[in-house]
Amino acid sequence: EPEVTQTPSHQVTQMGQEVILRCVPISNHLYFYWYRQILGQKVEFLVSFYNNEISEKSEIFDDQFSVERPDGSNFTLKIRSTKLEDSAMYFCASSGSNYGYTFGSGTRLTVV
Amino acid sequence: SQKIEQNSEALNIQEGKTATLTCNYTNYSPAYLQWYRQDPGRGPVFLLLIRENEKEKRKERLKVTFDTTLKQSLFHITASQPADSATYLCAPLSRNQGGKLIFGQGTELSVKP
Repeated sequence: EPEVTQTPSHQVTQMGQEVILRCVPISNHLYFYWYRQILGQKVEFLVSFYNNEISEKSEIFDDQFSVERPDGSNFTLKIRSTKLEDSAMYFCASSGSNYGYTFGSGTRLTVV
Repeated sequence: SQKIEQNSEALNIQEGKTATLTCNYTNYSPAYLQWYRQDPGRGPVFLLLIRENEKEKRKERLKVTFDTTLKQSLFHITASQPADSATYLCAPLSRNQGGKLIFGQGTELSVKP
């Protein structure tokens, strides 16, 4: 069964550093998303991406965040200057036209 | 604002029994409602989607109902097994939501042998 692949599975970074989280969505999907989940809390929407541009973003997705689809297969989330409160699981997801979303296994980001 | 409520307390049931999980929503007119399973440290896994014009949907041991008048969906697992232990998330989706899924906080199900 097709999978959404995320790398790395765990990233530890110093506060103020930039991180890039990587995702390979399912190849024939057209819609791409990033979500995050702070430990013990619910899964929260960050951003959706369609046709090579952001279609919607949440309040969480401020100027410190950016997304890119640099080469038609990868989908990245960049956090420019990480803060302690950015520590969370970050999930990439993709969907086709049937509204069932496929999520990756996530990247656990720890900011120290 | 849109609000999604799921049973906040964990649900503990005996193997073989039917588990019933509730999802209530307000300030929403979803065209679809999705249910996902999430295991600790893993991403949500899509289980079922039900449309506003469908009262009930089944898939193997899973059954979902959708009552747009009550603004509620029920998720049933029949003949539950310990492997069904996980957190279950509901996500109503409106047509004008642009595909952005908003999840409830989830209900943790524990099935004891």
